Amino acid sequence: ETGVTQTPRHLVMGMTNKKSLKCEQHLGHNAMYWYKQSAKKPLELMFVYNFKEQTENNSVPSRFSPECPNSSHLFLHLHTLQPEDSALYLCASSDGTSGGLSGANVLTFGAGSRLTVL
Amino acid sequence: GDSVTQMEGPVTLSEEAFLTINCTYTATGYPSLFWYVQYPGEGLQLLLKATKADDKGSNKGFEATYRKETTSFHLEKGSVQVSDSAVYFCALSARGNKLVFGAGTILRVKS
Repeated sequence: ETGVTQTPRHLVMGMTNKKSLKCEQHLGHNAMYWYKQSAKKPLELMFVYNFKEQTENNSVPSRFSPECPNSSHLFLHLHTLQPEDSALYLCASSDGTSGGLSGANVLTFGAGSRLTVL
Repeated sequence: GDSVTQMEGPVTLSEEAFLTINCTYTATGYPSLFWYVQYPGEGLQLLLKATKADDKGSNKGFEATYRKETTSFHLEKGSVQVSDSAVYFCALSARGNKLVFGAGTILRVKS
């Protein structure tokens, strides 16, 4: 497979469940991201990883726990979520080294995981 | 902080009509600017980009010019098709690999 693959595509969970979202990229990129897309709101950056190290946590509640075991895989562990956490969660990757001070960093996105919290 | 503002939608056009989606930004320094497109059921795809003032990005008949004096990056297409129906996001990248997106504009093209 090529590109960025996210699983599952759809997830329904109760507020007391524990689940995980998975993201995998086969592009040789060294930066990976989680974004949250809610209706009628701008995309919200949640986490950034560079070379497996977390470099950005955008004040995300602790009920979202990211994990990046290697440069190709990124997880988002979910527990004790709220109904307002229902959204499309998008994973992206980039060759972070091409950005730097010029800022011309191009992201490749997965198709997203549609999460519904009951 | 850095931010992007784009026109609210939905924008509804007939096939072959001219398209403009406005985008303005606020940023320190000299950001790179992007348009991403999201087709139904898919993730975002890069449509075009510009990295410095007066640059014009273009792809698939879409164009946008980086206007530093008006801090704008408006998206245009001379003749839209039904297949262009999607959500369009304006974005900027000013520091390192952090991308800031606008709220998105829904485009609906009728045949």
